[in-house]
Amino acid sequence: QVQLQQWGAGQLKPSETLSLTCAVYGGSFSAFYWSWIRRTPGRGLEWIGEINHSGSVNYNPSLKSRVTISVDTSKNQFSLELTSVTAADTAVYYCATRIVVSNTGWFDPWGQGTRVTVSS
Amino acid sequence: SYVLTQPPSVSVAPGKTARISCGGNNIGSKSVHWYQQKSGQAPVLVIHYDSDRPSGIPERFSGSNSGNSATLTISRVEAGDEADYYCQVWDGSTDLPFGGGTKLTVL
Repeated sequence: QVQLQQWGAGQLKPSETLSLTCAVYGGSFSAFYWSWIRRTPGRGLEWIGEINHSGSVNYNPSLKSRVTISVDTSKNQFSLELTSVTAADTAVYYCATRIVVSNTGWFDPWGQGTRVTVSS
Repeated sequence: SYVLTQPPSVSVAPGKTARISCGGNNIGSKSVHWYQQKSGQAPVLVIHYDSDRPSGIPERFSGSNSGNSATLTISRVEAGDEADYYCQVWDGSTDLPFGGGTKLTVL
């Protein structure tokens, strides 16, 4: 049974870099895609991007220029960096496991969430 | 981008049936997944593959998908079902996998 535990800074100033890490416990680290998703007050759930154990990444085109997702297989962890944050990046950020089956996939389970506030 | 459209809100009395729709062009040809997010908590998968319930999800939760609309049905609604519900599809090319979300209010 996979469990996710995430951490990172929750208060940022405009133009700073958001940095979050998610640790994976249980299950097979190589069997899934590892995603970052955020919930914003006005836009609901927004998929940010994902990575697999070999480092293959996919990003949301709207955030791609500012996002880097990386993986540390020795620690079963993956991380998110989002540069040049603004107030629009204020959200609760979640890490999640993407189950890949045939031509579809769903997110289960999710981390506990990290509330990130961007304010000067 | 493939757009999923959900009603912003649905209200239902306790013990009644709630139906939450998720519209998309020919969505019946895709697999739809549903999440429940209660206030202050992380989302929880309640339906995957259109109508399959993960372990631990009550039988009151069911799903269907056909044509241009998928539906999450919650029977015998309880106060504890009050939450935001999101539909999701993944066809490998989408950057907007989630619908806008529906707030379920139990009257």
